[in-house]
Amino acid sequence: KAGVTQTPRYLIKTRGQQVTLSCSPISGHRSVSWYQQTPGQGLQFLFEYFSETQRNKGNFPGRFSGRQFSNSRSEMNVSTLELGDSALYLCASSLRLAESTDTQYFGPGTRLTVL
Amino acid sequence: GNSVTQMEGPVTLSEEAFLTINCTYTATGYPSLFWYVQYPGEGLQLLLKATKADDKGSNKGFEATYRKETTSFHLEKGSVQVSDSAVYFCALSSSSGNTPLVFGKGTRLSVIA
Repeated sequence: KAGVTQTPRYLIKTRGQQVTLSCSPISGHRSVSWYQQTPGQGLQFLFEYFSETQRNKGNFPGRFSGRQFSNSRSEMNVSTLELGDSALYLCASSLRLAESTDTQYFGPGTRLTVL
Repeated sequence: GNSVTQMEGPVTLSEEAFLTINCTYTATGYPSLFWYVQYPGEGLQLLLKATKADDKGSNKGFEATYRKETTSFHLEKGSVQVSDSAVYFCALSSSSGNTPLVFGKGTRLSVIA
């Protein structure tokens, strides 16, 4: 079974631009979560989608948004990029998060560099 | 709220040494506990998990036991290899489910030949 895929793997943008990242979950998984990883803050939760609905949201500004499509693929968008948005963005999929025993499987990440 | 505390790194060991990475947690109820590993330039891979007290998760020679009485989930391996060099993250999922994973800050392990 194919794992979680994320595209693109690397991105370089300049301040003020916007960016869209894509995530394709494992087949059959309906929950997709996004995390930001930086050396200073570690892994921080952005949001989670389940069946096209945002179910949880982390403490990030409104510049960060996401959506999920009917095939469970998800995108996240960051508008008006700032230098501090440079990070590894990780996507994780799971069958559902309604049970604590559910396991999240991560993709390889998208490395975003903002100049 | 829920939280995970990991021992600070980096940890440097010689090949074949014994590894312990401490992890303690704060949570209500009975969370599920996970260890993830991140190799350079890659995403997180699930290493092992335990979903109830006294469960032992194991994979690739790594083990961790869910200790409810000490709220701990320490990662151990009897003989590390250079290929084990990576960053290790302890994480929990709350017993209520439907909430995101809570991660520790990660522990970087370097194994030298």
